[in-house]
Amino acid sequence: DVKVTQSSRYLVKRTGEKVFLECVQDMDHENMFWYRQDPGLGLRLIYFSYDVKMKEKGDIPEGYSVSREKKERFSLILESASTNQTSMYLCASSPRQGRYEQYFGPGTRLTVT
Amino acid sequence: AQSVSQHNHHVILSEAASLELGCNYSYGGTVNLFWYVQYPGQHLQLLLKYFSGDPLVKGIKGFEAEFIKSKFSFNLRKPSVQWSDTAEYFCAVRGTYKYIFGTGTRLKVLA
Repeated sequence: DVKVTQSSRYLVKRTGEKVFLECVQDMDHENMFWYRQDPGLGLRLIYFSYDVKMKEKGDIPEGYSVSREKKERFSLILESASTNQTSMYLCASSPRQGRYEQYFGPGTRLTVT
Repeated sequence: AQSVSQHNHHVILSEAASLELGCNYSYGGTVNLFWYVQYPGQHLQLLLKYFSGDPLVKGIKGFEAEFIKSKFSFNLRKPSVQWSDTAEYFCAVRGTYKYIFGTGTRLKVLA
């Protein structure tokens, strides 16, 4: 059974703080993704990675960066958190080959005050 | 540009009613299509998927979806909903690497 874990379920940070969100998957998937989920907007892709040390911007990368030093781990970084980054953050992974469904983590609800 | 539209944002049904949630996509290549569900307090999970072959696909918990290429649609159906189907439903299409999600439909089933 594929497992995608995220470091925190709930996080409260202050404006201007640097925030790290960690995601780990245990199925040796090549592709990993970070989304934010907001009511009425669905899931919006922030960044994705299709290999170690590779990253691609998604639809809303501004204010975020990512790091993928190991295949199983994909980190999302908010360099200077702002209140408009208050959201639910979802990590997902998928294999590069074969059936391309995504597997999601439980999400991190980030509040920036 | 690739996009996914879900027409119904909120749906309220009584138990045993039939369900159909609309999904239309815009994508020029070969499509892989998905429906995901998010139950209250739980993570997103796959309901069903279409890659090729029979356009009528069956998923978990009695859900099915039909891929109609000429209409660029992938509507989700269930003949008789249960209270436990209360959740948010997302349609998605896979591009080269990216997945594009619709804005979601919140379904509330009244007991």
